[in-house]
Amino acid sequence: AQSVSQHNHHVILSEAASLELGCNYSYGGTVNLFWYVQYPGQHLQLLLKYFSGDPLVKGIKGFEAEFIKSKFSFNLRKPSVQWSDTAEYFCAVNVGGYSTLTFGKGTMLLVSP
Amino acid sequence: GAVVSQHPSWVICKSGTSVKIECRSLDFQATTMFWYRQFPKQSLMLMATSNEGSKATYEQGVEKDKFLINHASLTLSTLTVTSAHPEDSSFYICSAPRDRGAPYEQYFGPGTRLTVT
Repeated sequence: AQSVSQHNHHVILSEAASLELGCNYSYGGTVNLFWYVQYPGQHLQLLLKYFSGDPLVKGIKGFEAEFIKSKFSFNLRKPSVQWSDTAEYFCAVNVGGYSTLTFGKGTMLLVSP
Repeated sequence: GAVVSQHPSWVICKSGTSVKIECRSLDFQATTMFWYRQFPKQSLMLMATSNEGSKATYEQGVEKDKFLINHASLTLSTLTVTSAHPEDSSFYICSAPRDRGAPYEQYFGPGTRLTVT
């Protein structure tokens, strides 16, 4: 079965700092990749997704992620974080177009003003 | 975007009682819905896939007799936690794909926090 690893459980940054959250998955076949965000007290929202094509995908709120197939990675990046980016971020993988998603354990990002 | 609601948002019940949680797709029809469980500081774990008009598909290790799922209509799935115990206390989240051609693009409900005393 596939698994998803997120390397950092907690990240603390100051505003305007750059962000990179790691995500690795363990599956050698075709995958669809997602990053979700969960703001305090709110439901999961899709940040961005990769299905095929350009491995650099751009999402909402200035986030982007790069799919590196050789490294089984899909890291999330943002050049300059804001206080409002404080949230929990989840990486998720879908295998072969089936409906189920496998989630990583999440990374809690705290941005100090 | 698509909206998925859950009711109640939080519930406290006594050990041994049953609790029903509803998941509704508000602006689309969903033949499939998913139920997840999220423990504090941990990831979402898929519990089961709810299928409209047929039996739910449970993930390994999830007791189907304890977590009863009913998908009575194209916009409603319910999860009933039967004979709840304190270890069932958790955050339960449902999701649904809006596009049948992209079942992995799921929209999530706000979650239901269950506390069993």
